[in-house]
Amino acid sequence: GAVVSQHPSRVICKSGTSVKIECRSLDFQATTMFWYRQFPKQSLMLMATSNEGSKATYEQGVEKDKFLINHASLTLSTLTVTSAHPEDSSFYICSARPGTGAGYGYTFGSGTRLTVV
Amino acid sequence: QKEVEQDPGPLSVPEGAIVSLNCTYSNSAFQYFMWYRQYSRKGPELLMYTYSSGNKEDGRFTAQVDKSSKYISLFIRDSQPSDSATYLCAMSASGGSYIPTFGRGTSLIVHP
Repeated sequence: GAVVSQHPSRVICKSGTSVKIECRSLDFQATTMFWYRQFPKQSLMLMATSNEGSKATYEQGVEKDKFLINHASLTLSTLTVTSAHPEDSSFYICSARPGTGAGYGYTFGSGTRLTVV
Repeated sequence: QKEVEQDPGPLSVPEGAIVSLNCTYSNSAFQYFMWYRQYSRKGPELLMYTYSSGNKEDGRFTAQVDKSSKYISLFIRDSQPSDSATYLCAMSASGGSYIPTFGRGTSLIVHP
């Protein structure tokens, strides 16, 4: 089945530093990947849509200069949290679809727990 | 009113029970319906994917969609402690990237 690999699974960083999270589709190509944020006991909130070879599309209220997205290849998208602050602490998850037709659900990575201290 | 409503629970049941998880929605354009299982500190795992109204069965899991009532269900038979997780419903409209809208998830606890 389709596999999305996400690294790191957990990261602790100091306030003011930047953190990069990688999302890879292992057995399929993904022209589009999605980045979500999830707070405890809350649903997934779509942050941005990552498009291979072009700029990401950000959801309303998401700071594009804080959450930098790069989709340099058909199998890799990265999310960089710049100048992280404690309020950026959250669970970040990426996802992708293994096909473009209607019959495909989204496959998710295992998530990254970011803690900013 | 949120587009997708889902009771967060927790729902606690004994091992072997039949579990019923439900979501309601307001957007009549939704045609694709999904159920995901999420264990603590992990990404969601796709359990069921259905199109339009009807039932779909996969092992101990049965998904039901009633578009006329804008209501979807996931039934788990012979529930096991390993089924303890958060179950998220998701749905999407046709066209574009079929980006799903998620419910907030229902926490299920199956105790031995």
